Amino acid sequence: EPEVTQTPSHQVTQMGQEVILRCVPISNHLYFYWYRQILGQKVEFLVSFYNNEISEKSEIFDDQFSVERPDGSNFTLKIRSTKLEDSAMYFCASSVHGYNEQFFGPGTRLTVL
Amino acid sequence: GESVGLHLPTLSVQEGDNSIINCAYSNSASDYFIWYKQESGKGPQFIIDIRSNMDKRQGQRVTVLLNKTVKHLSLQIAATQPGDSAVYFCAALLPSGSARQLTFGSGTQLTVLP
Repeated sequence: EPEVTQTPSHQVTQMGQEVILRCVPISNHLYFYWYRQILGQKVEFLVSFYNNEISEKSEIFDDQFSVERPDGSNFTLKIRSTKLEDSAMYFCASSVHGYNEQFFGPGTRLTVL
Repeated sequence: GESVGLHLPTLSVQEGDNSIINCAYSNSASDYFIWYKQESGKGPQFIIDIRSNMDKRQGQRVTVLLNKTVKHLSLQIAATQPGDSAVYFCAALLPSGSARQLTFGSGTQLTVLP
């Protein structure tokens, strides 16, 4: 069964460093998403991406964040200068259409020291 | 916008009993709802969905009920099994934009007792 994959599973970084989280969405999906979940809290939407551009973004997704689809398979989330409060699980998701089931990856746990 | 909340943060049921997890949403324009299951250390896993033009949908051992009048939905799990122990989230989609964001509830931790 096709699935969304994410690498790395755990990333530890120093405050102020740049991190890139990687995702491989399901191959025939056209819509891509990043969510984050701070420990013990709700899953929160960050950004959606379609047709090589951002469709929607939340207020969390500020200038420190960017997304890219560098090739036909990868979808990345970059945080330019990490802050302590960026520590969270980051989930990538993809869907065939923008209005139906989103499939989630296993997540990357980001720890900012 | 939309906000989604679950009624109980925790729920314990005996193995074999039925479980009911409830969720409320705020925006009557939300037109698509999903229940996700999240096991420890894993991403949300799709369980069942329902569109706003329906009031009930059944899957294997699960049923989702939607009451648009009071903006409430519930997830019913029949004959709950130990493998059902997880956090359950409801999520709502608003009909805006081409790739709409899911708004998640805070989750109900379901514990299945032997």
